[in-house]
Amino acid sequence: ELKVEQNPLFLSMQEGKNYTIYCNYSTTSDRLYWYRQDPGKSLESLFVLLSNGAVKQEGRLMASLDTKARLSTLHITAAVHDLSATYFCAVDIREYGNKLVFGAGTILRVKS
Amino acid sequence: EPEVTQTPSHQVTQMGQEVILRCVPISNHLYFYWYRQILGQKVEFLVSFYNNEISEKSEIFDDQFSVERPDGSNFTLKIRSTKLEDSAMYFCASSRDRALFPYFGPGTRLTVT
Repeated sequence: ELKVEQNPLFLSMQEGKNYTIYCNYSTTSDRLYWYRQDPGKSLESLFVLLSNGAVKQEGRLMASLDTKARLSTLHITAAVHDLSATYFCAVDIREYGNKLVFGAGTILRVKS
Repeated sequence: EPEVTQTPSHQVTQMGQEVILRCVPISNHLYFYWYRQILGQKVEFLVSFYNNEISEKSEIFDDQFSVERPDGSNFTLKIRSTKLEDSAMYFCASSRDRALFPYFGPGTRLTVT
């Protein structure tokens, strides 16, 4: 059974600081997604990472993928309050017909 | 920008009742999905649907669940006899190709009492 583990599960940080969220998964996959979810809202697509070494950046967020280590990271640079949300990574198990297996999510709170 | 829509936004039902959750995927998308999220927990895959048939389902998706694309635009999830543990947020998603990431709708919060 595929396992997708995120850590930390809860992250409280000061504005202006940097931090990294980690996403480990237990089986081979060539497609990993990061989503953001605000309380009571849907899942907003952030990044899709398609190959080993892929790096994507948008604003203060940067995501990377190491398929050999089965690890993706979401790096936050100089955090601002608006980044407060829950961040999910999700792994696509293509061999099973295209479904996403989500991590538990990381609740990020950025304090002013 | 096109988006996935879902109705209703909130449904309250009594245990044992049937519910139908409705979704309108993005118009040129061919792959459709239902996921659910129990409050405070992770998002779980329920079912994927392509070419008018289920392509994969999870063990959660038992005989009480069914999906249908009754016309060219709607995609529905039916729960025949709801249980308390079916209370969750249900997300519909669609993608143009199985190689592209799914776009999620706003969700329907189902409360079973």
